[in-house]
Amino acid sequence: ELKVEQNPLFLSMQEGKNYTIYCNYSTTSDRLYWYRQDPGKSLESLFVLLSNGAVKQEGRLMASLDTKARLSTLHITAAVHDLSATYFCAVNFGNEKLTFGTGTRLTIIP
Amino acid sequence: DTAVSQTPKYLVTQMGNDKSIKCEQNLGHDTMYWYKQDSKKFLKIMFSYNNKELIINETVPNRFSPKSPDKAHLNLHINSLELGDSAVYFCASSLRVFYTFGSGTRLTVV
Repeated sequence: ELKVEQNPLFLSMQEGKNYTIYCNYSTTSDRLYWYRQDPGKSLESLFVLLSNGAVKQEGRLMASLDTKARLSTLHITAAVHDLSATYFCAVNFGNEKLTFGTGTRLTIIP
Repeated sequence: DTAVSQTPKYLVTQMGNDKSIKCEQNLGHDTMYWYKQDSKKFLKIMFSYNNKELIINETVPNRFSPKSPDKAHLNLHINSLELGDSAVYFCASSLRVFYTFGSGTRLTVV
């Protein structure tokens, strides 16, 4: 079965702290995506990771992909309130569709 | 210009009614999708069309029928609506590795 698991499901962080969201998937893929969703809004593309060892950074967010471990991480550095949102990873297993993780609801506390 | 546009944004209807959601993309993408996001925020593929041809049809009640009149449009018709159909429905399109999501249609069945 093609599965994508994220953890944690819920995360409360203090401003200024660092944390990592983990995304594991069940079978071989080298196409992994990270999205952000604000309440009542659409999915905003954050990162597209297309090879083993890929690392991408944008502002306080950095994503990486280890295809051998079937693991991607989304690292948050010095969190600020604006980063509060739900973050999804999604994997393309070679069948056109994206299979999404359960999402991580991130709340940044002042 | 909106890349992937869905109408309506909100839809409130009674059980047993039939309703349609429309989606259009102006990106020149060749594949379009419908995803359902339930009350727990979980996102799941429903259908996918490539150049007007159905390529993915997940386990969805046959009350749901997609139609793609051309590669820029993918509509979703739902017959005999049930309470459990209440969700946010996202249209998306893709070309190669890049996906774009619409703003979503929040369907509430009462």
